[in-house]
Amino acid sequence: DTGVSQNPRHKITKRGQNVTFRCDPISEHNRLYWYRQTLGQGPEFLTYFQNEAQLEKSRLLSDRFSAERPKGSFSTLEIQRTEQGDSAMYLCASSPGTAFYNSPLHFGNGTRLTVT
Amino acid sequence: AQSVTQLDSQVPVFEEAPVELRCNYSSSVSVYLFWYVQYPNQGLQLLLKYLSGSTLVKGINGFEAEFNKSQTSFHLRKPSVHISDTAEYFCAVSRSGAAGNKLTFGGGTRVLVKP
Repeated sequence: DTGVSQNPRHKITKRGQNVTFRCDPISEHNRLYWYRQTLGQGPEFLTYFQNEAQLEKSRLLSDRFSAERPKGSFSTLEIQRTEQGDSAMYLCASSPGTAFYNSPLHFGNGTRLTVT
Repeated sequence: AQSVTQLDSQVPVFEEAPVELRCNYSSSVSVYLFWYVQYPNQGLQLLLKYLSGSTLVKGINGFEAEFNKSQTSFHLRKPSVHISDTAEYFCAVSRSGAAGNKLTFGGGTRVLVKP
């Protein structure tokens, strides 16, 4: 169990640029989640996958945001035309999935995005 | 939908003193309850969870929490804190049963342990 891995740890970009983050979940974890955490706030749910299927998206996830998990393993979160309001920590988490619905989420260390 | 309220945004406490972090939740369905800790520039680490059974739950690092259904609360306690307990603590809920796993978090409580 190597834990949930997120890359990059930090990303600084200029407003209007596109950025992509990667998350590698714990192997054999079927569920993968993306959360956003702004300074001084708790994490807010963005979206989650069961294997490669994206099962739920928050209203927080505007059209500029897209997430994929093409082979049911790693996931990417892309933000197009970044805005200063997108500056936040983006957290990824995974869990074993349907048969283990009471299993806690395991979080990565996050990607901190700063939009200048 | 569920919601979580953490009543204290910051809690200063002296080393070796007890601490209590308050958490209240709202939900129209049965829930599971969790406490996570976040150290600076890191992700969240699970402290403890309540799924069912005994309402007093013990977790890592000497923390414990008590589920009170009538008051819809899940307060976290530690009888004697250390400097290393300085961190941010998040209470979270998820729906119980097969629809579970997705977490709704409170706004967090920052604990500052003073020597």
